[in-house]
Amino acid sequence: AQSVTQLDSHVSVSEGTPVLLRCNYSSSYSPSLFWYVQHPNKGLQLLLKYTSAATLVKGINGFEAEFKKSETSFHLTKPSAHMSDAAEYFCVVEGPTGYNNNDMRFGAGTRLTVKP
Amino acid sequence: DAGVTQSPTHLIKTRGQQVTLRCSPKSGHDTVSWYQQALGQGPQFIFQYYEEEERQRGNFPDRFSGHQFPNYSSELNVNALLLGDSALYLCASSLDGLDYTGELFFGEGSRLTVL
Repeated sequence: AQSVTQLDSHVSVSEGTPVLLRCNYSSSYSPSLFWYVQHPNKGLQLLLKYTSAATLVKGINGFEAEFKKSETSFHLTKPSAHMSDAAEYFCVVEGPTGYNNNDMRFGAGTRLTVKP
Repeated sequence: DAGVTQSPTHLIKTRGQQVTLRCSPKSGHDTVSWYQQALGQGPQFIFQYYEEEERQRGNFPDRFSGHQFPNYSSELNVNALLLGDSALYLCASSLDGLDYTGELFFGEGSRLTVL
């Protein structure tokens, strides 16, 4: 079965500095991978998704992630943090690409704090 | 365009009681999935409904049941509540088949507290 491990439960950065949220995945087939963001009292929102096309994926709000099969990683980055980026971030792996099985496995989450 | 709406937003129950949570999917979406998010954890898949049938189920006991109506809205029922059922319950909607993009649209959730 597929799974993801988010390597940091909490990341703190200063405004204007780079953001790196780490995610490793485990899957016996070519996975679809996602990053979702959860702001307080808001619904989860999709940041970006990888579905076996380009390995560098660009998302909303300046975020991007790179799929590295050799390292089984899908880390989320942003060049410059903004105060509004403070939220909980979830790495998600889904079943075989193209299946609408919605068997999405969420990581435990990484809480991003942005200091002024 | 209304997104996914859930009700109630908060509720408190006692052990042994039953609860019903409701979800209206995003306009045009026909597939509804339910997730349980315990405090400090990521969401866990409960089940998915499509064409008024439960299509897939996660590792949850039969105390958790659901329903989907012809207008695609859905209910989650939990019987014989346990303290461990306290969590945020999330509803997510999506399109099916060739229209499936892999993106789930989530509601803000129903926070259940079991005393």
